Amino acid sequence: ETGVTQTPRHLVMGMTNKKSLKCEQHLGHNAMYWYKQSAKKPLELMFVYSLEERVENNSVPSRFSPECPNSSHLFLHLHTLQPEDSALYLCASSQGAGELFFGEGSRLTVL
Amino acid sequence: GEDVEQSLFLSVREGDSSVINCTYTDSSSTYLYWYKQEPGAGLQLLTYIFSNMDMKQDQRLTVLLNKKDKHLSLRIADTQTGDSAIYFCAERSGGYNKLIFGAGTRLAVHP
Repeated sequence: ETGVTQTPRHLVMGMTNKKSLKCEQHLGHNAMYWYKQSAKKPLELMFVYSLEERVENNSVPSRFSPECPNSSHLFLHLHTLQPEDSALYLCASSQGAGELFFGEGSRLTVL
Repeated sequence: GEDVEQSLFLSVREGDSSVINCTYTDSSSTYLYWYKQEPGAGLQLLTYIFSNMDMKQDQRLTVLLNKKDKHLSLRIADTQTGDSAIYFCAERSGGYNKLIFGAGTRLAVHP
């Protein structure tokens, strides 16, 4: 199995829906990250969890809600999103300040 | 604030060398990275350089760092069609392994 697995790979949702993105890492890492990759902007760091505690929240709107129940799992809960939130959401993990390992991403389309 | 800039597109002939350039603004960056993203995939770390180094070579890859000008480059020798991808420059800024990415350079390799 791959090191960092993201599901679903593709998601289409309406603006009133509630959905969640899931990330699982099998590398024994202690830090996990959510990045947003949109067509018009560079990769943007959204959230960082270290030892299951949120240590970075990069001015992300509250319609994105992260959850890290344990060191292997990271969720991004989505509600009342806007069309401009359509993007590729990438999860990554690392052991401390070591190399980031990325998942393949969840492509989100908001109608 | 921190900023990383790259040219958006580069086209080279198979067998030639490719040089992808990047400029960054944070002079306190400790590590600088090159990531590769193939279609439909997440980011893969290619190489990195510590800020007290000028050059790092790894097989076909050569990284040059000019700290005075805050300029980083990635040279790929004998470029192959399999090297076609988007290449991201990133600087490590601040704590918790926070990476600031450039917009990515799309490398197209043609026969």
